[in-house]
Amino acid sequence: AQSVTQPDIHITVSEGASLELRCNYSYGATPYLFWYVQSPGQGLQLLLKYFSGDTLVQGIKGFEAEFKRSQSSFNLRKPSVHWSDAAEYFCAVVPSSGNQFYFGTGTSLTVIP
Amino acid sequence: GAGVSQSPSNKVTEKGKDVELRCDPISGHTALYWYRQSLGQGLEFLIYFQGNSAPDKSGLPSDRFSAERTGGSVSTLTIQRTQQEDSAVYLCASSLTGPGGPDTQYFGPGTRLLVL
Repeated sequence: AQSVTQPDIHITVSEGASLELRCNYSYGATPYLFWYVQSPGQGLQLLLKYFSGDTLVQGIKGFEAEFKRSQSSFNLRKPSVHWSDAAEYFCAVVPSSGNQFYFGTGTSLTVIP
Repeated sequence: GAGVSQSPSNKVTEKGKDVELRCDPISGHTALYWYRQSLGQGLEFLIYFQGNSAPDKSGLPSDRFSAERTGGSVSTLTIQRTQQEDSAVYLCASSLTGPGGPDTQYFGPGTRLLVL
């Protein structure tokens, strides 16, 4: 079955440490890939997206993500986490043949001083 | 310009009652999505409208759920005979959809529904 997997339900990192959130998908062809962030009490906000071209994409707030076709992954990274990055992060996939968004179950990020 | 708006922001209802949730998408956006987010869960796709095409209703969990989009703009999600398991945050999103693939979804703040 087609799916989007975020294997880490919850991650805790220290402020200033690096961060990597994992996302794997299982779709036949390369889909369109997105990362969204949902801060407490806020709506979902797009961090970055990948459609084609350079497999390393830059987003807002210092985030980046790398598409790896061989691993069917689109992991989100940030070199140095800030306390304000504490939030829920969702990976989303749109199959190349359609327009429906499929979201992962999210990864909750806690940042400790 | 204004973003996606949803109303009401909170709704408390009794089991068995019907509720209507409203979504005003960004003007000019042809695609509109409804999702449900239960506590600690990801986003569950409910229904998708694209222009004048027939909506994709494949995510609606039961026939108690329905949605319409009038004039290609405002959408209403209706839940009939609500059940306690319907309690969740209902999110609406809109986007432009062109030949290059799906565009960014812009989400509304959601309607938090509590069924007692």
